[in-house]
Amino acid sequence: AQSVTQLGSHVSVSEGALVLLRCNYSSSVPPYLFWYVQYPNQGLQLLLKYTTGATLVKGINGFEAEFKKSETSFHLTKPSAHMSDAAEYFCAVSDYNQGGKLIFGQGTELSVKP
Amino acid sequence: GAGVSQTPSNKVTEKGKYVELRCDPISGHTALYWYRQSLGQGPEFLIYFQGTGAADDSGLPNDRFFAVRPEGSVSTLKIQRTERGDSAMYLCASSLTPGAGELFFGEGSRLTVL
Repeated sequence: AQSVTQLGSHVSVSEGALVLLRCNYSSSVPPYLFWYVQYPNQGLQLLLKYTTGATLVKGINGFEAEFKKSETSFHLTKPSAHMSDAAEYFCAVSDYNQGGKLIFGQGTELSVKP
Repeated sequence: GAGVSQTPSNKVTEKGKYVELRCDPISGHTALYWYRQSLGQGPEFLIYFQGTGAADDSGLPNDRFFAVRPEGSVSTLKIQRTERGDSAMYLCASSLTPGAGELFFGEGSRLTVL
């Protein structure tokens, strides 16, 4: 069975600083991995995804993530935080053998200080 | 429609009452998913439809919860004899390519059981 662990329920960075949100997964098959963002009072929005191919994937708003099989990790990074990045971020793994339902981590709330 | 639409956006009910939550997926998306999100937690899978049939209902917490999708488009999540513990945000998502593609989420229906 697939599972996701996000290290740190809250992360705070200064504007312009590096953003690093950690995600580790467990999967019995090659994983499909996703990062979603949830702004207050809005639905979940896809930031980026890894299925196959290049292990460094780029997403919207300057975010990127690297799939590291040896570390079972899919950490999300952004070189320079912006105030508008403040939101809840969810890592997820796809159970693609069973209809593609997503298994989510518990989320990391990102705060950006001016 | 352009995105996944969920109604009502907010529902307040009393313990023991019956509740229906509606999801209108993106046109042409054959896969539809229901999730439940409690405060400070990641979304938890409830049920997945492929067309009209429930392909995976392993996440439904008990027999008070039921969902239908009679014509393969709109879906209704039904909760009988509501309990205070049912209070949460209920999210609906749809997908064009279940398994490999992303899920598109609605803004959710917030259920409060008094």
